[in-house]
Amino acid sequence: TQLLEQSPQFLSIQEGENLTVYCNSSSVFSSLQWYRQEPGEGPVLLVTVVTGGEVKKLKRLTFQFGDARKDSSLHITAAQPGDTGLYLCAGAIKGAQKLVFGQGTRLTINP
Amino acid sequence: SQTIHQWPATLVQPVGSPLSLECTVEGTSNPNLYWYRQAAGRGLQLLFYSVGIGQISSEVPQNLSASRPQDRQFILSSKKLLLSDSGFYLCAWSPQNYGYTFGSGTRLTVV
Repeated sequence: TQLLEQSPQFLSIQEGENLTVYCNSSSVFSSLQWYRQEPGEGPVLLVTVVTGGEVKKLKRLTFQFGDARKDSSLHITAAQPGDTGLYLCAGAIKGAQKLVFGQGTRLTINP
Repeated sequence: SQTIHQWPATLVQPVGSPLSLECTVEGTSNPNLYWYRQAAGRGLQLLFYSVGIGQISSEVPQNLSASRPQDRQFILSSKKLLLSDSGFYLCAWSPQNYGYTFGSGTRLTVV
């Protein structure tokens, strides 16, 4: 059973365009994290959101946690080739000492 | 500062041979430790996690085992590898459920 559904699974756009990646679940999470992974490397943490409705910005990246803490989105403005990578969302279930990962969104930004 | 070391980076092993992957963390004490497997650049599958020395939780039945002989050492093992054990193995640590830090991964190919 996949607790976290990411969409789209693949996205290829031109440099300068905007995009949004979604992470959805029927479960409530105490926190949600977004990671970015380059080929052959481990994922790197981008952000952690904890409060329902929370919005965090990291330069051109905007992360939002849903009011009910069941979903999240990642919006990239004016995408650049350096944004290319695998984006993973991960949710922490209260009381469980582990994260549940989505299946990832493979993002390609074409020059 | 905290660091995580995972080795080897690449491994080619014949079917039926044993396996030992090691992960160590520096600069912290009593971390939560995790072993994940990732197939074909997709999402992460949790294999094992540990909240303390000698404490191992297994997430999926498989041909692998894990041990934590020391506070900051986590080992993934197999007595006899199968072709299906091929994949990208990632070790991670966290102080709680916030902000996983991943190792650089081990690419295992069973031939």
